[in-house]
Amino acid sequence: DAGITQSPRYKITETGRQVTLMCHQTWSHSYMFWYRQDLGHGLRLIYYSAAADITDKGEVPDGYVVSRSKTENFPLTLESATRSQTSVYFCASSDAYEQYFGPGTRLTVT
Amino acid sequence: AQRVTQPEKLLSVFKGAPVELKCNYSYSGSPELFWYVQYSRQRLQLLLRHISRESIKGFTADLNKGETSFHLKKPFAQEEDSAMYYCALRGSNYKLTFGKGTLLTVNP
Repeated sequence: DAGITQSPRYKITETGRQVTLMCHQTWSHSYMFWYRQDLGHGLRLIYYSAAADITDKGEVPDGYVVSRSKTENFPLTLESATRSQTSVYFCASSDAYEQYFGPGTRLTVT
Repeated sequence: AQRVTQPEKLLSVFKGAPVELKCNYSYSGSPELFWYVQYSRQRLQLLLRHISRESIKGFTADLNKGETSFHLKKPFAQEEDSAMYYCALRGSNYKLTFGKGTLLTVNP
């Protein structure tokens, strides 16, 4: 379970602020993902990355930015937070067999 | 486009009763399907993958390509099975498309 971590675990921020959620994995998996989890919507893919410096949009990318300068890190930035971005955010990494999820970050935008 | 449908948002059963969580999918290629489970306020963890055809915690799931279904079953539910269950379809680049989830409650 310590293989993939997220920080912070909880965050409260105000509308319009920039927020960065961190994700770190120790397995050297090439593929990494960001999802948001909302009641009634399940998990929706925000962005994913196939390798360092290779990222692509998922289903709901608007308002988010990602980067991946190192294989082990995949930060997600909300450039100007909105109330609709209040959610639980999960980072994941994948090998050929399954995706492994981080513990989640509960973000509240006031 | 790929899609996963879990028709039941909530499912409530009594301890010892059989349980079936439904999952239907839409995919043009050969599907890779998974069941993930999320216990209260915990991370998602893999429960089953259809390729391995294994039984985990008494749960089984069979891929039915004719009916495009991957229903999760357990003959005798336990209270510790109470959780959110997600069916997921893996596409290109290892991306997962999730259903909206079914919250299973097992009553004593």
